[in-house]
Amino acid sequence: DGGITQSPKYLFRKEGQNVTLSCEQNLNHDAMYWYRQDPGQGLRLIYYSQIVNDFQKGDIAEGYSVSREKKESFPLTVTSAQKNPTAFYLCASSIQVAQPQHFGDGTRLSIL
Amino acid sequence: QQQVKQSPQSLIVQKGGISIINCAYENTAFDYFPWYQQFPGKGPALLIAIRPDVSEKKEGRFTISFNKSAKQFSLHIMDSQPGDSATYFCAASDSNYQLIWGAGTKLIIKP
Repeated sequence: DGGITQSPKYLFRKEGQNVTLSCEQNLNHDAMYWYRQDPGQGLRLIYYSQIVNDFQKGDIAEGYSVSREKKESFPLTVTSAQKNPTAFYLCASSIQVAQPQHFGDGTRLSIL
Repeated sequence: QQQVKQSPQSLIVQKGGISIINCAYENTAFDYFPWYQQFPGKGPALLIAIRPDVSEKKEGRFTISFNKSAKQFSLHIMDSQPGDSATYFCAASDSNYQLIWGAGTKLIIKP
Protein backbone atom coordinates (compact mmCIF):
# COMPACT_ATOMS: atom_id res chain seq x y z
CA ASP A 1 0.00 0.00 0.00
CA GLY A 2 1.48 3.32 -1.06
CA GLY A 3 1.48 6.17 1.37
CA ILE A 4 3.28 8.40 3.82
CA THR A 5 4.41 7.06 7.18
CA GLN A 6 5.14 9.38 10.05
CA SER A 7 6.69 8.17 13.28
CA PRO A 8 6.36 8.24 16.13
CA LYS A 9 2.69 9.12 16.55
CA TYR A 10 3.41 10.77 19.92
CA LEU A 11 6.69 12.31 21.04
CA PHE A 12 7.77 14.02 24.22
CA ARG A 13 10.67 16.44 24.43
CA LYS A 14 12.57 17.59 27.45
CA GLU A 15 13.74 21.15 27.73
CA GLY A 16 16.96 21.75 25.78
CA GLN A 17 16.63 18.56 23.79
CA ASN A 18 16.58 18.10 20.02
CA VAL A 19 14.11 15.58 18.64
CA THR A 20 13.73 14.16 15.14
CA LEU A 21 10.43 13.31 13.49
CA SER A 22 10.48 10.70 10.77
CA CYS A 23 8.65 10.91 7.43
CA GLU A 24 8.90 8.17 4.81
CA GLN A 25 6.98 7.89 1.54
CA ASN A 26 6.75 5.08 -1.00
CA LEU A 27 4.78 7.06 -3.57
CA ASN A 28 7.87 7.91 -5.63
CA HIS A 29 7.08 11.60 -5.12
CA ASP A 30 9.77 14.20 -5.76
CA ALA A 31 8.40 16.92 -3.46
CA MET A 32 8.01 16.66 0.30
CA TYR A 33 6.78 19.12 2.92
CA TRP A 34 6.63 19.66 6.66
CA TYR A 35 3.76 21.58 8.27
CA ARG A 36 2.92 22.59 11.78
CA GLN A 37 -0.72 22.58 12.92
CA ASP A 38 -1.87 24.42 16.04
CA PRO A 39 -5.44 24.36 17.40
CA GLY A 40 -7.74 26.77 15.62
CA GLN A 41 -5.18 27.59 12.97
CA GLY A 42 -4.47 26.46 9.48
CA LEU A 43 -1.35 24.56 8.53
CA ARG A 44 1.88 26.52 8.40
CA LEU A 45 4.77 25.48 6.20
CA ILE A 46 8.08 24.78 7.95
CA TYR A 47 10.26 23.41 5.13
CA TYR A 48 9.78 21.86 1.74
CA SER A 49 11.97 19.93 -0.67
CA GLN A 50 11.48 19.76 -4.42
CA ILE A 51 14.15 17.18 -5.03
CA VAL A 52 16.79 15.12 -3.24
CA ASN A 53 19.58 17.15 -1.60
CA ASP A 54 17.60 20.37 -1.92
CA PHE A 55 15.20 22.06 0.51
CA GLN A 56 13.73 25.50 1.12
CA LYS A 57 12.54 27.35 4.20
CA GLY A 58 8.84 27.91 4.65
CA ASP A 59 7.13 30.56 6.75
CA ILE A 60 8.19 29.27 10.17
CA ALA A 61 11.58 27.55 9.69
CA GLU A 62 13.27 29.07 12.74
CA GLY A 63 14.14 26.39 15.32
CA TYR A 64 13.74 23.55 12.82
CA SER A 65 16.09 21.71 10.46
CA VAL A 66 15.62 19.11 7.74
CA SER A 67 17.61 16.87 5.43
CA ARG A 68 16.73 15.14 2.15
CA GLU A 69 19.40 12.55 1.48
CA LYS A 70 16.99 10.04 -0.04
CA LYS A 71 13.92 10.54 -2.19
CA GLU A 72 11.79 8.53 0.25
CA SER A 73 12.80 10.28 3.45
CA PHE A 74 12.46 13.83 4.80
CA PRO A 75 13.17 13.93 8.55
CA LEU A 76 12.45 17.03 10.61
CA THR A 77 14.53 17.98 13.64
CA VAL A 78 12.94 20.22 16.24
CA THR A 79 15.86 21.92 17.93
CA SER A 80 16.11 23.44 21.39
CA ALA A 81 15.96 26.83 19.70
CA GLN A 82 12.26 26.25 18.98
CA LYS A 83 10.75 27.73 22.12
CA ASN A 84 7.17 26.63 21.54
CA PRO A 85 7.41 23.21 19.91
CA THR A 86 4.16 21.72 21.22
CA ALA A 87 2.07 21.07 18.09
CA PHE A 88 0.83 18.51 15.61
CA TYR A 89 3.40 18.02 12.84
CA LEU A 90 2.31 16.89 9.41
CA CYS A 91 4.43 15.60 6.55
CA ALA A 92 3.16 15.68 2.97
CA SER A 93 4.39 14.76 -0.48
CA SER A 94 3.42 15.43 -4.08
CA ILE A 95 4.55 14.11 -7.44
CA GLN A 96 6.13 17.48 -8.07
CA VAL A 97 5.70 20.96 -6.66
CA ALA A 98 2.37 22.35 -7.95
CA GLN A 99 0.65 18.97 -7.73
CA PRO A 100 -1.86 17.83 -5.06
CA GLN A 101 -0.31 17.04 -1.70
CA HIS A 102 -0.85 13.79 0.19
CA PHE A 103 -0.45 13.78 3.96
CA GLY A 104 0.74 11.38 6.63
CA ASP A 105 -1.16 10.96 9.90
CA GLY A 106 1.06 13.29 11.87
CA THR A 107 3.23 13.32 14.97
CA ARG A 108 2.02 15.04 18.12
CA LEU A 109 4.93 16.62 19.98
CA SER A 110 4.63 17.67 23.61
CA ILE A 111 7.02 19.17 26.15
CA LEU A 112 7.75 17.32 29.38
CA GLN B 1 -2.26 39.68 0.98
CA GLN B 2 -1.21 36.10 1.54
CA GLN B 3 -4.10 35.28 3.86
CA VAL B 4 -7.02 33.01 3.19
CA LYS B 5 -9.96 33.81 5.47
CA GLN B 6 -12.31 30.93 6.21
CA SER B 7 -15.73 31.02 7.85
CA PRO B 8 -17.49 29.88 9.90
CA GLN B 9 -15.12 28.52 12.53
CA SER B 10 -17.67 25.83 13.42
CA LEU B 11 -20.89 24.63 11.88
CA ILE B 12 -23.69 22.32 12.99
CA VAL B 13 -26.00 20.91 10.31
CA GLN B 14 -28.84 18.43 10.49
CA LYS B 15 -28.46 15.15 8.65
CA GLY B 16 -29.65 15.58 5.08
CA GLY B 17 -29.05 19.33 5.09
CA ILE B 18 -26.60 21.43 3.09
CA SER B 19 -23.30 22.43 4.69
CA ILE B 20 -21.70 25.60 3.33
CA ILE B 21 -18.18 26.80 4.15
CA ASN B 22 -16.77 30.01 2.72
CA CYS B 23 -13.29 31.28 1.98
CA ALA B 24 -11.96 34.62 0.76
CA TYR B 25 -8.56 35.63 -0.52
CA GLU B 26 -6.74 38.78 -1.58
CA ASN B 27 -3.86 37.63 -3.76
CA THR B 28 -5.04 37.67 -7.38
CA ALA B 29 -2.05 35.51 -8.35
CA PHE B 30 -3.63 32.50 -6.65
CA ASP B 31 -4.63 29.97 -9.28
CA TYR B 32 -5.33 26.75 -7.40
CA PHE B 33 -7.95 26.32 -4.68
CA PRO B 34 -8.18 22.93 -2.93
CA TRP B 35 -10.38 21.80 -0.08
CA TYR B 36 -9.10 19.28 2.44
CA GLN B 37 -10.99 17.13 4.95
CA GLN B 38 -9.36 16.16 8.24
CA PHE B 39 -10.57 13.66 10.82
CA PRO B 40 -9.23 13.78 14.41
CA GLY B 41 -5.73 12.33 14.73
CA LYS B 42 -5.31 12.07 10.96
CA GLY B 43 -3.69 14.12 8.26
CA PRO B 44 -5.78 16.20 5.86
CA ALA B 45 -7.02 14.46 2.72
CA LEU B 46 -7.66 16.26 -0.56
CA LEU B 47 -11.41 16.45 -1.15
CA ILE B 48 -11.86 18.56 -4.27
CA ALA B 49 -10.00 21.39 -6.01
CA ILE B 50 -10.74 24.08 -8.57
CA ARG B 51 -8.84 26.46 -10.82
CA PRO B 52 -10.17 29.95 -11.67
CA ASP B 53 -11.11 29.11 -15.24
CA VAL B 54 -14.34 27.46 -14.03
CA SER B 55 -17.03 28.77 -11.69
CA GLU B 56 -18.16 25.46 -10.26
CA LYS B 57 -16.90 21.91 -9.85
CA LYS B 58 -18.93 19.01 -8.54
CA GLU B 59 -17.78 15.63 -7.28
CA GLY B 60 -20.56 13.53 -5.82
CA ARG B 61 -22.14 15.43 -2.92
CA PHE B 62 -19.30 17.99 -2.82
CA THR B 63 -19.35 21.18 -4.91
CA ILE B 64 -16.92 24.09 -5.07
CA SER B 65 -18.35 27.42 -6.19
CA PHE B 66 -15.82 30.01 -7.30
CA ASN B 67 -16.37 33.75 -7.71
CA LYS B 68 -13.26 35.26 -9.25
CA SER B 69 -14.45 38.88 -9.17
CA ALA B 70 -15.34 38.67 -5.49
CA LYS B 71 -12.23 36.60 -4.72
CA GLN B 72 -14.32 34.07 -2.86
CA PHE B 73 -14.89 30.35 -3.07
CA SER B 74 -17.06 28.00 -1.12
CA LEU B 75 -17.63 24.32 -0.40
CA HIS B 76 -21.15 22.94 -0.46
CA ILE B 77 -21.89 19.49 0.97
CA MET B 78 -25.28 18.26 -0.16
CA ASP B 79 -27.30 15.70 1.81
CA SER B 80 -24.82 16.00 4.71
CA GLN B 81 -24.20 12.76 6.60
CA PRO B 82 -22.77 12.08 10.10
CA GLY B 83 -19.68 10.61 8.41
CA ASP B 84 -19.00 14.08 6.97
CA SER B 85 -18.32 15.38 10.49
CA ALA B 86 -14.71 16.58 10.28
CA THR B 87 -12.62 19.72 10.02
CA TYR B 88 -12.51 21.26 6.56
CA PHE B 89 -9.71 23.48 5.30
CA CYS B 90 -9.64 25.65 2.24
CA ALA B 91 -6.31 26.63 0.75
CA ALA B 92 -4.92 28.63 -2.14
CA SER B 93 -1.66 28.76 -4.03
CA ASP B 94 0.07 30.52 -6.87
CA SER B 95 2.62 29.19 -9.36
CA ASN B 96 5.15 28.73 -6.56
CA TYR B 97 2.68 26.27 -5.11
CA GLN B 98 3.17 27.23 -1.52
CA LEU B 99 -0.26 26.45 -0.11
CA ILE B 100 -1.79 29.16 2.07
CA TRP B 101 -4.34 27.60 4.40
CA GLY B 102 -7.54 28.83 5.95
CA ALA B 103 -7.98 28.34 9.71
CA GLY B 104 -10.43 25.47 9.32
CA THR B 105 -14.12 24.81 9.95
CA LYS B 106 -15.23 22.14 12.37
CA LEU B 107 -18.37 20.58 10.89
CA ILE B 108 -20.76 18.53 13.00
CA ILE B 109 -23.65 16.71 11.33
CA LYS B 110 -26.42 15.93 13.80
CA PRO B 111 -28.27 12.64 13.16
